[in-house]
Amino acid sequence: AQTVTQSQPEMSVQEAETVTLSCTYDTSESDYYLFWYKQPPSRQMILVIRQEAYKQQNATENRFSVNFQKAAKSFSLKISDSQLGDAAMYFCACSLEYGNKLVFGAGTILRVKS
Amino acid sequence: KAGVTQTPRYLIKTRGQQVTLSCSPISGHRSVSWYQQTPGQGLQFLFEYFSETQRNKGNFPGRFSGRQFSNSRSEMNVSTLELGDSALYLCASSLAGIGSYEQYFGPGTRLTVT
Repeated sequence: AQTVTQSQPEMSVQEAETVTLSCTYDTSESDYYLFWYKQPPSRQMILVIRQEAYKQQNATENRFSVNFQKAAKSFSLKISDSQLGDAAMYFCACSLEYGNKLVFGAGTILRVKS
Repeated sequence: KAGVTQTPRYLIKTRGQQVTLSCSPISGHRSVSWYQQTPGQGLQFLFEYFSETQRNKGNFPGRFSGRQFSNSRSEMNVSTLELGDSALYLCASSLAGIGSYEQYFGPGTRLTVT
């Protein structure tokens, strides 16, 4: 069974600064996918970034990038130049190749200070 | 293209009743997954349907059931409601039943059991 752990219940960052959200996971499978989803208050969950486990190169989407350490089973999210609109709950998630079952971490609330 | 829609958005039921929630996926998407979100348990996978067949099931009692229609619309049913069933129920659709594909989430149905 897969498990995903987010050890930071809450983080704060100053506008324009950089913040890193941590995530560790555990799976016995060799093919899997890792995701960061963002859930703004009272709004829909949206995908921030995706990483295929077989790719060594870290995924990047504009101001969002990941540090994927496969051996350590670590998948952290870095947000650069933080903006007020980045304030949300961030979930780390893992899925296997077959089927669309996402296993989520407990989430990290990100607060952005102006 | 319209996003994932869920109806109703809010629902109040009494213990012992049953409830049916509906999810319309993005046009062309064949996979629909359901998740329960609560403050205590976080986001938990309920089940996934692909081409009208249940492919994955989470660890929920048999009171939770679902189905998918030929047009990919999905419903989930909870019978004999308990107070602990109060939650935000999220539906997500995906183009195909492969874990690498992005899941698009709906706004959720907020169920309150009194």
